Amino acid sequence: DGGITQSPKYLFRKEGQNVTLSCEQNLNHDAMYWYRQDPGQGLRLIYYSQIVNDFQKGDIAEGYSVSREKKESFPLTVTSAQKNPTAFYLCASSTQAGGTEAFFGQGTRLTVV
Amino acid sequence: DQQVKQNSPSLSVQEGRISILNCDYTNSMFDYFLWYKKYPAEGPTFLISISSIKDKNEDGRFTVFLNKSAKHLSLHIVPSQPGDSAVYFCAASRGSARQLTFGSGTQLTVLP
Repeated sequence: DGGITQSPKYLFRKEGQNVTLSCEQNLNHDAMYWYRQDPGQGLRLIYYSQIVNDFQKGDIAEGYSVSREKKESFPLTVTSAQKNPTAFYLCASSTQAGGTEAFFGQGTRLTVV
Repeated sequence: DQQVKQNSPSLSVQEGRISILNCDYTNSMFDYFLWYKKYPAEGPTFLISISSIKDKNEDGRFTVFLNKSAKHLSLHIVPSQPGDSAVYFCAASRGSARQLTFGSGTQLTVLP
């Protein structure tokens, strides 16, 4: 089935540790995105990538890093510099054509203790 | 600076009646608008969209209206069903930039 896979669904880490969230898509989409959702808030853009080997900071990129070595994969690393890492993280992808929607993965709930 | 706003955090309607969810935006460069539905601990699923060159788009029970002069859009669900109970997010994008700017969401509860 075509879609976006995020793994794992739940992740626990100790404070001060870096952690990498996986996002894979087989939709042949050029663009991929990482969003963060906090309780009672909308989705905020962390990073996005429109083509392989290129990515741009979103609205809340501090404390995060990404890579885009393959079209299908866009992993997100939450570093120890991120002050409030506990959140629900969502990956999405879309075509580059105008007027198209983004498709989302099922999300990863990261809890830092 | 919140460019997309959903001022109603929650809405309750009776089954079979109309649900109207509202969204306002401030950036006049936005030219594509979308509605997503989201259940807890899941990713959002796309519902319906509208281009800025239109003022209405309909898909089954869902209709989105766009008022560009007021920078306002709304989602109408008729008739509402209990399965429609979820958080609804309004989102917008502009030009060739496909990243979306989201509102804070409205929790819709459809009462049987």
